[in-house]
Amino acid sequence: DAMVIQNPRYQVTQFGKPVTLSCSQTLNHNVMYWYQQKSSQAPKLLFHYYDKDFNNEADTPDNFQSRRPNTSFCFLDIRSPGLGDAAMYLCATSSPTSGQFFGPGTRLTVL
Amino acid sequence: LAKTTQPISMDSYEGQEVNITCSHNNIATNDYITWYQQFPSQGPRFIIQGYKTKVTNEVASLFIPADRKSSTLSLPRVSLSDTAVYYCLVGDRVPYSGAGSYQLTFGKGTKLSVIP
Repeated sequence: DAMVIQNPRYQVTQFGKPVTLSCSQTLNHNVMYWYQQKSSQAPKLLFHYYDKDFNNEADTPDNFQSRRPNTSFCFLDIRSPGLGDAAMYLCATSSPTSGQFFGPGTRLTVL
Repeated sequence: LAKTTQPISMDSYEGQEVNITCSHNNIATNDYITWYQQFPSQGPRFIIQGYKTKVTNEVASLFIPADRKSSTLSLPRVSLSDTAVYYCLVGDRVPYSGAGSYQLTFGKGTKLSVIP
């Protein structure tokens, strides 16, 4: 089945230690998104790609970076995770005629 | 950016029809209305999307009045498994490369609790 896959599902890192989360899709959608969702809050958009064009939300911290080497893969890099970055990170894709398809998320714990 | 307002929570008995209304007073001409369902520790799941009037699929209906300043998600005959948070999202359906106006902001969502 076509889907959005996120790895790992659970990630533990230490304060200040860089971490990379990955997302892949088999839907061949040209738009990919990264969201951050903290406990009991709504998902918050960090950035999105339209093909290879990167669009950063105005309030996304510089600590968060992203890469999209090809249509299928997208990565979220957190350069120096702080305790406040502990959250669920959601990857999503969309096409011109659909809503967004979300992956299962990666839950990040910062020790 | 069209801000959305939804009830924070709703309760319903099994088998009843549930209607969740979302207000989006400053919706733009190009904006679509999309609803998502989210269970704990899972990503949101697309339910339905519409631009105007009524849209129906196998799980829900979406009613949008002529002025498009609100929308109502209708879930027929809910079951316990429909207990979840429901989000209304308003925005361009497609982000145009380099277009700064494209934004997708989730509102606070409505927590639906279905009671046996």
